[in-house]
Amino acid sequence: ETGVTQTPRHLVMGMTNKKSLKCEQHLGHNAMYWYKQSAKKPLELMFVYNFKEQTENNSVPSRFSPECPNSSHLFLHLHTLQPEDSALYLCASSQDEGRGQPQHFGDGTRLSIL
Amino acid sequence: AQSVAQPEDQVNVAEGNPLTVKCTYSVSGNPYLFWYVQYPNRGLQFLLKYITGDNLVKGSYGFEAEFNKSQTSFHLKKPSALVSDSALYFCAVRERGSARQLTFGSGTQLTVLP
Repeated sequence: ETGVTQTPRHLVMGMTNKKSLKCEQHLGHNAMYWYKQSAKKPLELMFVYNFKEQTENNSVPSRFSPECPNSSHLFLHLHTLQPEDSALYLCASSQDEGRGQPQHFGDGTRLSIL
Repeated sequence: AQSVAQPEDQVNVAEGNPLTVKCTYSVSGNPYLFWYVQYPNRGLQFLLKYITGDNLVKGSYGFEAEFNKSQTSFHLKKPSALVSDSALYFCAVRERGSARQLTFGSGTQLTVLP
């Protein structure tokens, strides 16, 4: 139990579907992150939120839309995805965005685009 | 700019033998350094970090890492490997005081042979 819960664990969707990934943290952290993990590639940071405000968008295509309604919840809304978007999507949280605090990860959502 | 390299994609070691997983980094100033482990179908788990102070850092599950500023390295070590240590290991760096986020290495698959 890492204190960061992601749902669903697995998602299969067509390219025209709309779906959302959910992340919830029970650690009292103020910063939350979305990462994409593809096979044979380094972890890719997508978005960063600090105290509910987006502080980083790492040139992510607009078909990925994040939402952070409060410091405990983070969503990733998906629409008209491409096959290359198939990957493991990881959510993480940390006490704050800086000062060397470690990030705590959820177990991810395995996304497959048909 | 900041970067991190894990020169070995795969490390094999016999159970009971010492293990080392290598990591070198590049930052303009002083670094925050982290090691994470990922088991199959799980997210990344934080193992240990170097912020400042003692160059030898002890972490979870008997792992330790040594910060070497002159060689810009932060190798992960364990005196006696267990089969259950078999997993994917990631090194990460962040420049202290920088607005940049964590940069992760490409990962090293550790296999401990019984």
